[in-house]
Amino acid sequence: GEDVEQSLFLSVREGDSSVINCTYTDSSSTYLYWYKQEPGAGLQLLTYIFSNMDMKQDQRLTVLLNKKDKHLSLRIADTQTGDSAIYFCAEVTDKLIFGTGTRLQVFP
Amino acid sequence: IAGITQAPTSQILAAGRRMTLRCTQDMRHNAMYWYRQDLGLGLRLIHYSNTAGTTGKGEVPDGYSVSRANTDDFPLTLASAVPSQTSVYFCASTRGLIEQYFGPGTRLTVT
Repeated sequence: GEDVEQSLFLSVREGDSSVINCTYTDSSSTYLYWYKQEPGAGLQLLTYIFSNMDMKQDQRLTVLLNKKDKHLSLRIADTQTGDSAIYFCAEVTDKLIFGTGTRLQVFP
Repeated sequence: IAGITQAPTSQILAAGRRMTLRCTQDMRHNAMYWYRQDLGLGLRLIHYSNTAGTTGKGEVPDGYSVSRANTDDFPLTLASAVPSQTSVYFCASTRGLIEQYFGPGTRLTVT
């Protein structure tokens, strides 16, 4: 079956690193994604990782993939107040399946 | 270039009424999706279409129907709205496995 799970909340101080975690169940996923949703807006694709990769870095964002444990994480370095949003991980097999979302709150 | 648009932006609807949420994309993407977003539940897939002329059921299809007469349009219809369908609805489209675009959402309240 397809199930993607995330913790609901994360609170960090500005300037610290944030790590948002996600677990998925479908081992046939080809791509895994991280989306960002700001208040009142739709989802914006942040980054993605192909299933045969372990890590991908894109400026302040680092994605780690552990296929054995079906665990995906997103690390945001030097977290800013503008990073406050809901972050969704998603996997794709024949369709997109989203996690429940993690609300990141950044405080000064 | 508009990308993907949804209409209306928001709507208050009496229970039992019929409602169609519109979604249009101008990117010639093959696949389109409808999701609902509810607090604590994330995004749940309602229906999808991999290409014009085909549709499929997602995780929560009951009470909803879709059609895909052409590549650009993917309307979602609530035949007889119920309060549990109060939600924010997002339409999305993809061409391949990387490019995914979401509309701005439709906030629907069923009273």
